[in-house]
Amino acid sequence: DAKTTQPPSMDCAEGRAANLPCNHSTISGNEYVYWYRQIHSQGPQYIIHGLKNNETNEMASLIITEDRKSSTLILPHATLRDTAVYYCIVRGHQTGANNLFFGTGTRLTVIP
Amino acid sequence: NAGVTQTPKFQVLKTGQSMTLQCAQDMNHNSMYWYRQDPGMGLRLIYYSASEGTTDKGEVPNGYNVSRLNKREFSLRLESAAPSQTSVYFCASSEAPTASSGNTIYFGEGSWLTVV
Repeated sequence: DAKTTQPPSMDCAEGRAANLPCNHSTISGNEYVYWYRQIHSQGPQYIIHGLKNNETNEMASLIITEDRKSSTLILPHATLRDTAVYYCIVRGHQTGANNLFFGTGTRLTVIP
Repeated sequence: NAGVTQTPKFQVLKTGQSMTLQCAQDMNHNSMYWYRQDPGMGLRLIYYSASEGTTDKGEVPNGYNVSRLNKREFSLRLESAAPSQTSVYFCASSEAPTASSGNTIYFGEGSWLTVV
């Protein structure tokens, strides 16, 4: 599985867009980018995933560069409840190895 | 629909004691996982079960055993607890692993284990 690199921490003003970057320069062609978040030691929560195209759901948008070596998770209007650790994960596709490798993520603090 | 349920939520053990963490999912998922998370660190995979009847080691399996009791349940056992196993344990489940993607992993709320 490709490794990912994320900044350890970020701040964002409440109501503004939070843009969380992730580098995954060794990603291979069939690997997806997944984003999860963990709020205050709760179980990680799935946010979004994508392969090549930009993706959007009710929680966030995922922008993947054309060369797929980096991506950005966008929370369009951050709220205090979005304060969490955000994990960017590149997922392997070997049969029988359907697991996720977590790094230390980005600690996002939304400031009132 | 409870999702992934873990028990107990909190447990204190003495060194050398044994215990079993229980996990059950009601989403009819084929795959189940056990992760541990130490303070300030990301999750690390202990064991996983790709399907009923199979189990495989993850990144940090030493000191643990698992049992995939049936499709719903996946337990984690500490035979002789050590202080180094003080951690938060997360169980998770997902649909069957294939070469395709799109299968997200759903986590339980965690079990806090302290070994003194």
